[in-house]
Amino acid sequence: AQRVTQPEKLLSVFKGAPVELKCNYSYSGSPELFWYVQYSRQRLQLLLRHISRESIKGFTADLNKGETSFHLKKPFAQEEDSAMYYCALKGGNYQLIWGAGTKLIIKP
Amino acid sequence: GAGVSQTPSNKVTEKGKYVELRCDPISGHTALYWYRQSLGQGPEFLIYFQGTGAADDSGLPNDRFFAVRPEGSVSTLKIQRTERGDSAVYLCASSSSGTGADTQYFGPGTRLTVL
Repeated sequence: AQRVTQPEKLLSVFKGAPVELKCNYSYSGSPELFWYVQYSRQRLQLLLRHISRESIKGFTADLNKGETSFHLKKPFAQEEDSAMYYCALKGGNYQLIWGAGTKLIIKP
Repeated sequence: GAGVSQTPSNKVTEKGKYVELRCDPISGHTALYWYRQSLGQGPEFLIYFQGTGAADDSGLPNDRFFAVRPEGSVSTLKIQRTERGDSAVYLCASSSSGTGADTQYFGPGTRLTVL
């Protein structure tokens, strides 16, 4: 079965601290994974995807096929990073399969 | 340029009524997706259009749900005999071709409340 699991509903860290948002997946083929972000009162937007291996707003994510994980990391959190973060997997017909999301709160 | 737009932004209806939700994708995007997001959950796939045809409607929960895209641009999601459990945010996304590593661009959603 294709599934994405984000074990933390809420993550709260202090400004300047490192952040790691966890994502695990289950997929029989070669996975294509994404992180989307939704800031307050805004629409979902793509943050990054594993195939591009880029860093956006200081965030990175590495696909670990052995652990079936795609955790999102940032070394120094900023207040503007507070948002909902969703991990998603591209399914066989290009639809996205989503985790339940993690609400990230950055405390000043 | 203009992003994906959805109307209405909010819809309140009574149980048993019929509703239509509209999605206007980014101009030139051939792929269009509908998702449903219930409170506290991630989005859930409903249906995928490639051009005018529904390439995958496996996510539609039952036959009360139907979607069309007659000219390959605007899409309408139709829900008959609405039930309280249909209350959710309905999201639309479009992508340029629907294949490979396309980015899906999302609309703001329509919040449907069934009383």
